[in-house]
Amino acid sequence: GIQVEQSPPDLILQEGANSTLRCNFSDSVNNLQWFHQNPWGQLINLFYIPSGTKQNGRLSATTVATERYSLLYISSSQTTDSGVYFCAGKTGNQFYFGTGTSLTVIP
Amino acid sequence: EAQVTQNPRYLITVTGKKLTVTCSQNMNHEYMSWYRQDPGLGLRQIYYSMNVEVTDKGDVPEGYKVSRKEKRNFPLILESPSPNQTSLYFCASRGLYGYTFGSGTRLTVV
Repeated sequence: GIQVEQSPPDLILQEGANSTLRCNFSDSVNNLQWFHQNPWGQLINLFYIPSGTKQNGRLSATTVATERYSLLYISSSQTTDSGVYFCAGKTGNQFYFGTGTSLTVIP
Repeated sequence: EAQVTQNPRYLITVTGKKLTVTCSQNMNHEYMSWYRQDPGLGLRQIYYSMNVEVTDKGDVPEGYKVSRKEKRNFPLILESPSPNQTSLYFCASRGLYGYTFGSGTRLTVV
């Protein structure tokens, strides 16, 4: 299978700060998505972004498929943004997850 | 509302007692899959199904069975659970705009 690296593994932010999370794939993938796992364990779909840039409120994501990476931007972070952020992509019939970035936003 | 429904949300069982975790989706998706999530290992695929009566192994299929008798349902079966199957399990279905996950099932095998 492919390797999916996420950085940084852990991040602590003051409320209101901005951050960039990165996801690198060892090979080309399809169906690239970003998820947020909240403190209750639920996986919330943030973006379906196989290429290009999308924005949703304070969050935006950019995927450069030819270079096999994707970025998730969080602006004006809030305590409710805390949790683990995962990227994932499909190759063949399998969907591979990164190991996640654990984000803590402190008031 | 489009969703993937898993049951139960929490389950504590004893070693060797057969159990089934149900998964149902209402989006008419052909593709469904199961994952387990473990600390330090992330999410790993157990089994997937491309369509009714078509299933295949993922990365960690040992100790699990699945069936896909109808499009909407994809149950995960543990014939003889062991403590190393204690984990957080997710069911997912895939459509045109990516994957949708269920709320998860936290299984403890003692």
